[in-house]
Amino acid sequence: AQKITQTQPGMFVQEKEAVTLDCTYDTSDQSYGLFWYKQPSSGEMIFLIYQGSYDEQNATEGRYSLNFQKARKSANLVISASQLGDSAMYFCAMREGRYDYKLSFGAGTTVTVRA
Amino acid sequence: SAVISQKPSRDICQRGTSLTIQCQVDSQVTMMFWYRQQPGQSLTLIATANQGSEATYESGFVIDKFPISRPNLTFSTLTVSNMSPEDSSIYLCSVEDPEAGQGSLMEKLFFGSGTQLSVL
Repeated sequence: AQKITQTQPGMFVQEKEAVTLDCTYDTSDQSYGLFWYKQPSSGEMIFLIYQGSYDEQNATEGRYSLNFQKARKSANLVISASQLGDSAMYFCAMREGRYDYKLSFGAGTTVTVRA
Repeated sequence: SAVISQKPSRDICQRGTSLTIQCQVDSQVTMMFWYRQQPGQSLTLIATANQGSEATYESGFVIDKFPISRPNLTFSTLTVSNMSPEDSSIYLCSVEDPEAGQGSLMEKLFFGSGTQLSVL
């Protein structure tokens, strides 16, 4: 079964607007971590933000925030004030359990920021 | 943080040949991971490489096809053997955050810049 689901293959957003990227996950573990990575066309994977399953507050890192809804098992990424440099592929990922280092990745969402 | 140098950045290879990808980290790390990203797809874990032990392969990946070396705590290689066009992918090396506590859920992975492999 798919552990991470990203239902939006591609999105367009106007510069300076906010965009929300959807991510739902499936796990029976009580302890897990959720991550978002950005992959520009150059190919490197850039860590953006992390949310732990026990974190009560939504994570924020600069223009990135994570809308964590545990009951719904969703961890949507919000990018505020989009910039042209935000055009990239965005991956949601999950680590289950305290001693499992593996990350399971979703299919990704391509974001294109328009001037 | 960790700085990862991955070589080569790209290569075009002939069917039936092998390519060895190198991954060098600027910090000592216990675990290194090799991922494959097929064109337009997500990342799939190939194997986990610990220093001093055999690599652990994920379902669908075998040592004969993807032999891995991990001679020390800062270096690993992945070989793609007997290549076919289906092996055309980006191969990414990643490491755990050396500054996070071992076993920490929030331990993010750092990635190399990837090796874009095309097999003709």
